[in-house]
Amino acid sequence: QKEVEQNSGPLSVPEGAIASLNCTYSDRGSQSFFWYRQYSGKSPELIMSIYSNGDKEDGRFTAQLNKASQYVSLLIRDSQPSDSATYLCADQGGAGSYQLTFGKGTKLSVIP
Amino acid sequence: KAGVTQTPRYLIKTRGQQVTLSCSPISGHRSVSWYQQTPGQGLQFLFEYFSETQRNKGNFPGRFSGRQFSNSRSEMNVSTLELGDSALYLCASSFTGTSGTDTQYFGPGTRLTVL
Repeated sequence: QKEVEQNSGPLSVPEGAIASLNCTYSDRGSQSFFWYRQYSGKSPELIMSIYSNGDKEDGRFTAQLNKASQYVSLLIRDSQPSDSATYLCADQGGAGSYQLTFGKGTKLSVIP
Repeated sequence: KAGVTQTPRYLIKTRGQQVTLSCSPISGHRSVSWYQQTPGQGLQFLFEYFSETQRNKGNFPGRFSGRQFSNSRSEMNVSTLELGDSALYLCASSFTGTSGTDTQYFGPGTRLTVL
């Protein structure tokens, strides 16, 4: 049974700080990973995808993937109160996989 | 481009009834996946359809079923509702559904409450 593990938090950071969110996955064959943000009462919205080892940057967000350690992370620079949400890590599995396996999510609170 | 749409947005049913939820994917997307989200279990995969064929199914009882139409719109049905079926049901669409660069985009969800 494929698993994705996340620290449930809550993670509290002051406004302007860097928030670091982490995720580990169990399936060594997994190739594609996604970070979604979910505000309370809303549906998940895509922040970033990452498929290759290393870093991928998009604005204030940086995703990191280490396949040897089976570890994915998301860094949010210059955190804003509007970043307060639950962040979901998702594993799309290996070639031909049609489903996302989600972690339980990490709740982030950015304190003004 | 319009996003994924789901109807209805809210639904209240009683135990034993059945319910049908609808999802219209992003134009051009041919894969539709369904997920159930509850506070205890998080987001769990129900099933995925592509070109009217179910390609994968999650670990849910047979009371949960779905289908996809030729225009890629999808419906899911839950029969003999139980209290534990109360959840947010999310539909996601993607171009092909396969791993790699294919990304799933979620609709707003249908909040089902079973009394």
